[in-house]
Amino acid sequence: AQKITQTQPGMFVQEKEAVTLDCTYDTSDQSYGLFWYKQPSSGEMIFLIYQGSYDEQNATEGRYSLNFQKARKSANLVISASQLGDSAMYFCAMREGFDSNDYKLSFGAGTTVTVRA
Amino acid sequence: AAGVIQSPRHLIKEKRETATLKCYPIPRHDTVYWYQQGPGQDPQFLISFYEKMQSDKGSIPDRFSAQQFSDYHSELNMSSLELGDSALYFCASSYWDREIPGELFFGEGSRLTVL
Repeated sequence: AQKITQTQPGMFVQEKEAVTLDCTYDTSDQSYGLFWYKQPSSGEMIFLIYQGSYDEQNATEGRYSLNFQKARKSANLVISASQLGDSAMYFCAMREGFDSNDYKLSFGAGTTVTVRA
Repeated sequence: AAGVIQSPRHLIKEKRETATLKCYPIPRHDTVYWYQQGPGQDPQFLISFYEKMQSDKGSIPDRFSAQQFSDYHSELNMSSLELGDSALYFCASSYWDREIPGELFFGEGSRLTVL
């Protein structure tokens, strides 16, 4: 079964507007972590933001914020004041099982964001 | 700051040939992960090493093997290459005592094209 679901294959957003990227996850673990990565056309994976399952506050990093709704198992990424350089593929990922040194991530299918001038 | 170094960045091979990808983790990082990302796909976990021992195995074909050496660098060996092996191969590293548990640092990837 897919652990991470990103239902939006692609989105267009106007420059300076906000955009929300959906992510739902499936896990039976109580302790887990959720990540968002950005992948520009050049291919590298850039870490954006992290939310721990026990974190009570929604994570924020500059223009990125994570809308974490634990009961609904969703971890949506909000990008505020979009810039042309935000055009990229965005991946939601999850790490389960904090009782080991294995930090393997499971990725969603990704959402392509295109920012229009 | 030093990042994860992958080499080569681009590689073109013929079917049935072999290829070796190298990964140099961030200094003091003790765990290395390999991911395969096909065109338009999400990254798929292949294999990981902790302290030079294999720690987990994902969807890695039997034609592939990997190891982590005493200096913590890792190599992914791929034999009998098939067209479907064409992908971007990521290496990532981590250190157990990270402030963000599970934070992986990715290299820029090695793009393998099999003709």
